This record gives sequence, C-alpha cells and structure tokens, in this order.
Amino acid sequence: DAGVIQSPRHEVTEMGQEVTLRCKPISGHNSLFWYRQTMMRGLELLIYFNNNVPIDDSGMPEDRFSAKMPNASFSTLKIQPSEPRDSAVYFCASSPSGANVLTFGAGSRLTVL
Amino acid sequence: AQTVTQSQPEMSVQEAETVTLSCTYDTSESDYYLFWYKQPPSRQMILVIRQEAYKQQNATENRFSVNFQKAAKSFSLKISDSQLGDAAMYFCAYRLYGSGNTPLVFGKGTRLSVIA
Repeated sequence: DAGVIQSPRHEVTEMGQEVTLRCKPISGHNSLFWYRQTMMRGLELLIYFNNNVPIDDSGMPEDRFSAKMPNASFSTLKIQPSEPRDSAVYFCASSPSGANVLTFGAGSRLTVL
Repeated sequence: AQTVTQSQPEMSVQEAETVTLSCTYDTSESDYYLFWYKQPPSRQMILVIRQEAYKQQNATENRFSVNFQKAAKSFSLKISDSQLGDAAMYFCAYRLYGSGNTPLVFGKGTRLSVIA
C-alpha cells in the first residue's frame, strides 16, 4: 500500500497565480479530508468528503479556495488567485468507512511570494 | 463545537526519562475517539496512540501510554524511556463517533525536545 499520495511536495508561486494541489487516497478509503497547517493557526480542517460528496466545507477560507473529488481515487484543492497568506502546508488524509483512524499524506508545502 | 487545548507549547526531557504531555478537550458528546499524533521534522503525521471514549482502560503502545479522564475531559500522553527519535511536535486530536466518518479536531501542538 503506497499510502496517501500528495503532489506536489513543494510549490513556490507568485501572488495571483492559480495553484492546484492533488491527492490520491488509499484504495478502499471512502472519506477524504483536506487540512491546512500554519504556525499561527495550527491544523485546520478545510473540507471533507464521504463517498466523493462534500460534507462540510465551512473551513474553506474564501471563495478563492475550491475542492473537488471527481472519483474515489482523486481529489484536488485549488486556490485561485493565490495570496501570500495562503502559504502553508496542506495535508490530505483518508479513512475507510467505520474506521477511527485517519492516514495522512506527506503534505504539500505552498509558498506564495 | 468541539475544541482541543494543549497548554504546553514546548516541553523538554532528558534521554531515558519520562515526560507527560497534557491535553484537554471540550465536548457535549459521549461517544468519541481521542488520538495523539507525532509530527517529526519530516512533517509526516504519525499516529502514536488512540483511545475510545467508551473504554475505561487506558491505551498503551510500547513506551507510550495515556491517562484518560473522561469526566475531567483530560487526555495526557506519557512517554517512558524517552529516546532522541521522540523529538517532534505532538498533537492531541478528537474525533466524534458517527455513522459516517468525521474529521479530526486538533490541538495547537506541543514541541518536545529530547536532551542527550
């Protein structure tokens, strides 16, 4: 099992550019979670999906952020346009149905200049 | 809304000694899970230990154990025989039990240093 796979590992971009972060959950896991980690705010839930359906997106900070899960094996988190305050580590995690553990990906470190 | 509080931003421990990290949480629910995750400099989130709220027995995983006090809403982590590899950020987390999967709510973390 390759675990939760996130790409890119690192992204440096300029303010105003579009950023797309990608996540492949563990096969068979039906829940997917996007978190953002910053020094100031810690780990915050942005959005999560059950069976590809968004359940709670109240953590998405602004309309600049959007997330999709077109199928059970892929999700994207898009920021358009990006701003310096979006600089953070973005984690994706997945969980099988009825389980009490989330498995995290290695994270994507985003730097917006 | 559920909240998790870790009141110790930083802790240090001598190698081979024991250290306890504190965590309190606030919830009106009775069925939930509690976790400790470790985040080393590699930034990977690693599950250390978990506890089901309905279990009175404290969870133990090798050198790691918890003191779960449900009435006090307290969930501390004890690391025995500390090793240099234990140096990391430690996050306490809460997860509501539900018919569908629910997210983790994290505390702000405690940075643990291990002194040789």
